Amino acid sequence: SYVLTQPPSVSVAPGKTARITCGGNNIGSKSVHWYQQKPGQAPEVVIYYNNDRPSGIPERFSGSNSGNTATLTISRVEAGDEADYYCQVWDSSGIVIFGGGTKLTVL
Amino acid sequence: QVHLVESGGGLVQPGGSLRLSCAASGFTFSDDYMSWIRQAPGKGLEWVSYIGDSGRSKYYADSVKGRFTISRDNTKNSLFLEMNNLRADDTAVYYCARERGTLYRYFESWGRGTLVTVSS
Repeated sequence: SYVLTQPPSVSVAPGKTARITCGGNNIGSKSVHWYQQKPGQAPEVVIYYNNDRPSGIPERFSGSNSGNTATLTISRVEAGDEADYYCQVWDSSGIVIFGGGTKLTVL
Repeated sequence: QVHLVESGGGLVQPGGSLRLSCAASGFTFSDDYMSWIRQAPGKGLEWVSYIGDSGRSKYYADSVKGRFTISRDNTKNSLFLEMNNLRADDTAVYYCARERGTLYRYFESWGRGTLVTVSS
């Protein structure tokens, strides 16, 4: 089945830009969704359909998707952005696939 | 405001059964696909199953196929997950989630989850 690969961890200083990648075979042909999960909380969608933002999600969050890599970009990172982030797609057999998750640490 | 509340979790022995429920409010439940997604302690997210708006369409992850059954009652705005022949690796927080979009849907709203522990 389809596999999504995320780095286990990404660290960034406050005010800098964080980039979290999600690798998959020809992922650029798929629609990618991104979720943020803070400790003890349920996940929350932050980007859907590659680069759409739900209302209430800051413009600092953006997404891109091309080739074999999708990327979640968080600009001007704040302490409150520290969380686990997951990418998600649908595979060709009609089931949902999540990436393994990336822990974002704000230094 | 969308509200999803899961219930029915608890401690069950290996081989046992459990039925999870999800009460939905704040949206037209019968219009939307719904999913169950789980998260083992300290691990990532794993999609379990989804059900179409009418209840006719159902899909399962290979890890639960043949053991879990998803259903819904649109008259009561409720989603269910019947879990049989439970195993230790089914131990997880189970979330219900509202799906949005047309093709390749995303999970717009999530409940807070209910913990299922499979242990003797």
